[in-house]
Formats: sequence, C-alpha cells, structure tokens
Amino acid sequence: EAGVAQSPRYKIIEKRQSVAFWCNPISGHATLYWYQQILGQGPKLLIQFQNNGVVDDSQLPKDRFSAERLKGVDSTLKIQPAKLEDSAVYLCASSFAVEQFFGPGTRLTVL
Amino acid sequence: AQSVTQPDIHITVSEGASLELRCNYSYGATPYLFWYVQSPGQGLQLLLKYFSGDTLVQGIKGFEAEFKRSQSSFNLRKPSVHWSDAAEYFCAGWVLSMFSGGYNKLIFGAGTRLAVHP
Repeated sequence: EAGVAQSPRYKIIEKRQSVAFWCNPISGHATLYWYQQILGQGPKLLIQFQNNGVVDDSQLPKDRFSAERLKGVDSTLKIQPAKLEDSAVYLCASSFAVEQFFGPGTRLTVL
Repeated sequence: AQSVTQPDIHITVSEGASLELRCNYSYGATPYLFWYVQSPGQGLQLLLKYFSGDTLVQGIKGFEAEFKRSQSSFNLRKPSVHWSDAAEYFCAGWVLSMFSGGYNKLIFGAGTRLAVHP
C-alpha cells in the first residue's frame, strides 16, 4: 500500500515570497490533515478536511495560509506571503478511521 | 484545557539499557492516546495506541506503554534499547475539537529526543 506522498521535500524561499505544498493521501482515506512542526515542538494541526470539506481550520493563519482539497483527494497548502516564523516542517496526514498516517513532510526555510 | 505534556526534552541512554519516556495528559474524558516516533527527515510512525481495555499495550519495535488513569500518564517503555532507536518520540492524545462539529483531532506533546550511546 502506497503511503502519503508529499512534495517538495525541501523548499527555501525569501520572506514575502509565496510557496505551495502538495499532498496525496492514501487511497480511500476521507480525512486529510495539514500540520506545522516548528523545530523543537510537536506537530500542530493547521487544517483538517473531511472529503473536500473543511472541518477544522481554527489554527490556520488565514491572512496568509490557504488550503484546498479539490475532488476530495489530493490537497495543496499555500503560504502567501511567507514570514520568517513560517520556517518549519509541514506534515500531511490522512486517515480512514482513528489512526493517522503521515507523509515525510516538507521542510520550509524562509530567509 | 486539553493538553499532552512530555516532561523530558532530551534523554540519553546506553545501548542495551532500559528506557522509559514520560507522557502526561490533561483532559477529562476517556483518552485515546498514541506514541509516535520520528527519525530525522522522516514522517511520524505510529508505535502504539491505547483506546480502552488492557492498560498495558504492546507496540512495534519492542515498545510498550502503560496507561495509568490515577496518574494521568501514558509512559513508553522498552527493556533494551538499540542504537537504531535514536529518534524523537511524540505522545499524542485524540481530543474532541471544539470547531469541527464532532470531529476529533490529535494534540501532540513537544517531544522527547532520544540519544543512544554505544
């Protein structure tokens, strides 16, 4: 069974630039999550989708972050414009029931 | 507030020694609790989970954890550590989100980084 795929694996940008991350969940998983993991901290949920609908985006900085999950399958997370404090690993996860399966993450560095 | 706490930021053990990583949770309902491991450059891998029933749960890679309601703890243990166990370990709890109309979400502790000396 293929796991959760994410791209790119690494991204370096300058502040005020925009960036997008892509996630392809495990086939059949209705729930998709985006997490932000800042160095030295545990992952923090940014947004949760159930199929193509948002069920929790309470911790998503909506002035600069956006996410979509068209057709209820893959998803993109965008940051525009990026700030220095956005430097982190962005993890995508998917689930069918309780257990979440995580992708390898995208490490973003904002200079 | 619902929270998961890992008191130890960094732990170093010798290869072959026993290991215990601490996790405390703070929320009232019966918790669903998890331990994940994250190796450098990798995503999180589930080691084990507790939902209900037997309070001692077995996981992959020889890990086990014990749920103690009286202490609000879910500590991870391994009797003999291998060098390949060096990684970061996260305890997480599955809690009801106030914003999602009944959907649950994971909240993570800050993690414990494990170093293994040969």
